[in-house]
Amino acid sequence: AQSVTQLGSHVSVSEGALVLLRCNYSSSVPPYLFWYVQYPNQGLQLLLKYTTGATLVKGINGFEAEFKKSETSFHLTKPSAHMSDAAEYFCAVSETGGFKTIFGAGTRLFVKA
Amino acid sequence: NAGVTQTPKFRILKIGQSMTLQCTQDMNHNYMYWYRQDPGMGLKLIYYSVGAGITDKGEVPNGYNVSRSTTEDFPLRLELAAPSQTSVYFCASSSSGDSAVDSNQPQHFGDGTRLSIL
Repeated sequence: AQSVTQLGSHVSVSEGALVLLRCNYSSSVPPYLFWYVQYPNQGLQLLLKYTTGATLVKGINGFEAEFKKSETSFHLTKPSAHMSDAAEYFCAVSETGGFKTIFGAGTRLFVKA
Repeated sequence: NAGVTQTPKFRILKIGQSMTLQCTQDMNHNYMYWYRQDPGMGLKLIYYSVGAGITDKGEVPNGYNVSRSTTEDFPLRLELAAPSQTSVYFCASSSSGDSAVDSNQPQHFGDGTRLSIL
């Protein structure tokens, strides 16, 4: 069975600092991995996805994530936080060839001025 | 391009009432989903559909029903509202991709329906 664990329900960084949101997954088959962002009173929007190929994936708004099979991780990073990055972030996994997605519990990112 | 549209945005129900949450997508996606989002719990899949006329239960289907008579519409029905169904409900859709390798397409979400049952 697939599962997703996001370490830390809340993360706080200063504007300009590195953003690191942690995600570990379990899957019995090669996974497809996603990061979504949710702004207040909105639905989820795709930030980036890993399917196959290059393990470092670049997404929108300067975010990127690296798939590390040996660590079963897919952490999300951004070199310099901006106030507009404050939102909730969800890591998600689906099985290759499947269509159902399992979402993590979410990490709320706070950005301090 | 409207994407996924959910109505209503907010609703307050009394215990025992029924209602239908509407969801429409204009992207010709085969797959549609209903989730509920509770604080600190992420998204839980209620029901999903792989095409018109085909639906199946997700992780938390009790107390809900769905139908999929067209590709575009995927309404969610609450028959006897209970306080435990107070939540934010999201509808999403995704395409089937161009191949088996490309089948895991990201989901497109509506803005949600905030439902309170008192």
